[in-house]
Amino acid sequence: DAKTTQPTSMDCAEGRAANLPCNHSTISGNEYVYWYRQIHSQGPQYIIHGLKNNETNEMASLIITEDRKSSTLILPHATLRDTAVYYCIAMNYGGSQGNLIFGKGTKLSVKP
Amino acid sequence: GAVVSQHPSWVICKSGTSVKIECRSLDFQATTMFWYRQFPKQSLMLMATSNEGSKATYEQGVEKDKFLINHASLTLSTLTVTSAHPEDSSFYICSADGTSGASYEQYFGPGTRLTVT
Repeated sequence: DAKTTQPTSMDCAEGRAANLPCNHSTISGNEYVYWYRQIHSQGPQYIIHGLKNNETNEMASLIITEDRKSSTLILPHATLRDTAVYYCIAMNYGGSQGNLIFGKGTKLSVKP
Repeated sequence: GAVVSQHPSWVICKSGTSVKIECRSLDFQATTMFWYRQFPKQSLMLMATSNEGSKATYEQGVEKDKFLINHASLTLSTLTVTSAHPEDSSFYICSADGTSGASYEQYFGPGTRLTVT
């Protein structure tokens, strides 16, 4: 699975959009980009995933560049409850065991 | 969405005793479950992959005789920490493969905090 690179930490004002970048320059054609987050002392929570096209759900939007070498997770209106560590993971589903490899992630602090 | 539970949510045990942690998929069946360990201020580290009806696959450096995994049904996997020592104190998290359709979906439990005294 491709390695991903994320900033160590980011701050965001409550009510503003939080844009979390992820670099996955070695991603292969059949690897998906997954985003999870972990609020302190809880298990990771699935947010969104995508392959090529931009995706949106009730939690967030995922913007994947045309060359798929990077992506951005967007929380449109961040709240204090969105403070968490956000993990970007590139994973090849087809043929693999599907175990997610977690990096260090980005610690997002939403401030009032 | 799919729900995964863990029991207990926290446990304190004495050094040398064994502790069993249960992981259940509540509203779906999971042929594959995963066990992770997370030390303070660190990321999740995969310990083993648990497949229903077969032996677990352990990651390099994880002692299979110390961390016993049993996946006896499609909704339950257990992790037993045998002869626990203070260095085994950690946050243990399980996840279950809830894949449907074309893309992979994995759902996590809330975690179990183990403290060995």
